[in-house]
Amino acid sequence: GAGVSQSPSNKVTEKGKDVELRCDPISGHTALYWYRQSLGQGLEFLIYFQGNSAPDKSGLPSDRFSAERTGGSVSTLTIQRTQQEDSAVYLCASSLGLTAYQPQHFGDGTRLSIL
Amino acid sequence: DAKTTQPNSMESNEEEPVHLPCNHSTISGTDYIHWYRQLPSQGPEYVIHGLTSNVNNRMASLAIAEDRKSSTLILHRATLRDAAVYYCILSVLTQGGSEKLVFGKGMKLTVNP
Repeated sequence: GAGVSQSPSNKVTEKGKDVELRCDPISGHTALYWYRQSLGQGLEFLIYFQGNSAPDKSGLPSDRFSAERTGGSVSTLTIQRTQQEDSAVYLCASSLGLTAYQPQHFGDGTRLSIL
Repeated sequence: DAKTTQPNSMESNEEEPVHLPCNHSTISGTDYIHWYRQLPSQGPEYVIHGLTSNVNNRMASLAIAEDRKSSTLILHRATLRDAAVYYCILSVLTQGGSEKLVFGKGMKLTVNP
């Protein structure tokens, strides 16, 4: 079956521009997560959605970062006024979310490069 | 957040068993132990998870120490496809009741033909 799909796979933009990253979770998965992975580092949690609500936004690094989810499905992560330190791979994961400790299924990420 | 400690890297030979260790001495009673792996240019892939008892699935086995302060991921017959960065993770409950995975730097497994 279809896995988690992320687009674009690569994004290069100039410092100061806004970017939108998209995540299509596995159909029927109610939980959705955003992480980012900087070069040579482990993954850093950003935000968690249950349905369309985001009960945990604790990982968003600044108010330039926001995310939304509509229809309990697609999610977009928006970064405003991008900075060079925002360069990273942004990964989305989804899980059944019906109970805790469901495996998370990851997409292959969006590689964001800020010039 | 509870932390895990893994070697930076390990090497194994193809078709031999591999034991990947993880220490988590500050684990709490409700923390599950998760293993994910990540191949180059891909997102992480779930491998296995457990709480207290040893666990087996089609990919691997997880052996958990009686005091839960350490665990070992066992790949029964390593293949070249198993070469990846392996993450041992203690999940943390989010405010919404689900879990977020707190990744460390992981351990790079090299499989020699």
